[in-house]
Amino acid sequence: QVQLVQSGAEVRKPGASVRVSCKASGYTFTTYAMHWVRQAPGHRLEWMGWTDVGKGYTKYSQKFQDRVTISMATSATTVYMELSSLRSEDTAMYYCARGTLWGGQPYVFDLWGQGSLITVSS
Amino acid sequence: DIQMTQSPSSLSASVGDRVTITCRASQYITSFLNWYQQKPGKAPQLLIYAASTLQSGVPSRFSGSGSGTDFTLTISSLQPEDFATFYCQQSYSSPLTFGGGTKVEIK
Repeated sequence: QVQLVQSGAEVRKPGASVRVSCKASGYTFTTYAMHWVRQAPGHRLEWMGWTDVGKGYTKYSQKFQDRVTISMATSATTVYMELSSLRSEDTAMYYCARGTLWGGQPYVFDLWGQGSLITVSS
Repeated sequence: DIQMTQSPSSLSASVGDRVTITCRASQYITSFLNWYQQKPGKAPQLLIYAASTLQSGVPSRFSGSGSGTDFTLTISSLQPEDFATFYCQQSYSSPLTFGGGTKVEIK
């Protein structure tokens, strides 16, 4: 079954870090990109960055550039997103989304994880 | 960054109605426009990519049109399972950006 399964909900204090995992199955892991998108309460979907799984290339939104790291374990078909220096505004649902190629870039999100709720609270 | 503006932000419609949602980009994006549907408590799902190409498995009552800066998502005959929030997303350039969403509710 083609799916992305994410790690569970986490609670962190301000200033801490959190790492979310996204395990892919049912398809050839290295032939697609993986993106991270978050959705804070009352806010629109917000793209954070992506990794070209086959080449190991990563690119981040400038908004998160200094705080986010996307990494992967190819043998485990898992991608990770770590967000540091957390603040209350980072409370959101975090999604991984598979990027499929159209028009030269893998920027169409054709498969999504179920989401991981990250709560930042003192 | 390319700003995406959707209208309306919400609408009420009845089963069987024809529904149209618009999305405007702040700059030219050719056909690099995708539509997603999100039901409460669930992740978004891809409906349409490249402005008008239906994703596999998506019912044909959904259609997309437009090019350049102005785009439309149409549901030809609204079904009970279509009540959800719809988002547009530009895939023309990084950072990738989304519209604010259109919530379709039951009248």
